[in-house]
Amino acid sequence: GAGVSQSPSNKVTEKGKDVELRCDPISGHTALYWYRQSLGQGLEFLIYFQGNSAPDKSGLPSDRFSAERTGGSVSTLTIQRTQQEDSAVYLCASSLALGSSGYTFGSGTRLTVV
Amino acid sequence: AQTVTQSQPEMSVQEAETVTLSCTYDTSESDYYLFWYKQPPSRQMILVIRQEAYKQQNATENRFSVNFQKAAKSFSLKISDSQLGDAAMYFCAYRRDNNDMRFGAGTRLTVKP
Repeated sequence: GAGVSQSPSNKVTEKGKDVELRCDPISGHTALYWYRQSLGQGLEFLIYFQGNSAPDKSGLPSDRFSAERTGGSVSTLTIQRTQQEDSAVYLCASSLALGSSGYTFGSGTRLTVV
Repeated sequence: AQTVTQSQPEMSVQEAETVTLSCTYDTSESDYYLFWYKQPPSRQMILVIRQEAYKQQNATENRFSVNFQKAAKSFSLKISDSQLGDAAMYFCAYRRDNNDMRFGAGTRLTVKP
């Protein structure tokens, strides 16, 4: 596609439920990233996929968070047993592997846990 | 670990005036890349400008320019002739090779008419 697409744009869920957030990167971008942005805060790195390499999961805050990337394209971020502190905007970005490449971001998913 | 610091949580500028947003970073690397991103209320992150560390010349994109001081590890963004549409959160970011990008905490810029 022309840009990075994220869905849903907004999600309200009850505490304890599982949620899945989807990211469709730009075609041809080998790298895909997930960030979390709490209200008025900066971007917190969650996970990074690069080609066929094992993902860098070092930013995942707990084992309730997981992500996968199928076929080197679409990625799904799953949060199990959601907690109120999980409420945030989840941003996905993709890029070429080159360090000089900036990221192209999606518009994010605003997750609210009630 | 690389860290990026933006010491100004909020800045304000009068329309048509110039404003400078500060950013410092910490790294032991010599080759890396620096970026400024803009995030308006729509929350879409938009790349404003980028700088390669091996280049001495400061990057410029229309009204946006940077002052890159490699020895001081400083990377400030200057916005000239500020416009109402420049109001947003601005994030400074660092990236090395094909690693993930690290962001500062952001500076909220207000433009007064």
